[in-house]
Amino acid sequence: EVQLVESGGGLVQPGGSLRLSCASSGFTFRNSWMHWVRQSPREGLVWVSRISSDGTNTAYADSVEGRFTISRDNAKNTLYLQMTSLRAEDTGLYYCARDWGGYGPTSVDYWGQGALVTVSS
Amino acid sequence: DIQMTQSPSTLSSSVGDRVTITCRASQNINSWLAWYQQKPGRAPNLLIYKASSLGSGVPSRFSGTGSGTEFTLTISSLQPDDFATYYCHQYSGWPRTFGGGTTVDMK
Repeated sequence: EVQLVESGGGLVQPGGSLRLSCASSGFTFRNSWMHWVRQSPREGLVWVSRISSDGTNTAYADSVEGRFTISRDNAKNTLYLQMTSLRAEDTGLYYCARDWGGYGPTSVDYWGQGALVTVSS
Repeated sequence: DIQMTQSPSTLSSSVGDRVTITCRASQNINSWLAWYQQKPGRAPNLLIYKASSLGSGVPSRFSGTGSGTEFTLTISSLQPDDFATYYCHQYSGWPRTFGGGTTVDMK
């Protein structure tokens, strides 16, 4: 059974930093591209970032480019999202999600339960 | 960015009803569209990918049609477990984008 468990969320002041982690199990993590997706009442579901299976290829939403860094440790089956210069609009539930892979365009199939990030003074 | 517009935003229905949700893309996305179901306090669950392919373990009462810019999700006979919010999602281009959601609630 695919399991994704996020941690590291919390309350942080504007301008602060936070690192989210996502521990995975039940599939071959090192073969899977991974994503972070945020959900908030203000914006709904918003794709944030993705990383290739070997970690060499990353992409970001314009709103977080230069402030967030996605990374992974395939030896630990863990995905990370380092968030800096946080803003109120970064508030939301951050989901770690697996890409289903294969040929052609792909996207996410399994999602974790989310880590809540609140940016407020 | 490709904008995804869902309608209606809320749908009040009864068990046994045929339910149809529409999703429109702001540009051609071929068949690179997925549908997710989300219940309160839970993560989204993949129902449909490539516009019409059923996800793993998804009941056959769910179906998807469309290509280009117009798509529909149909529930042939609504069951009690189907009251939830449904999202369309395009994966034709970057950034990936989602519709605003359609909540199916009890009439």
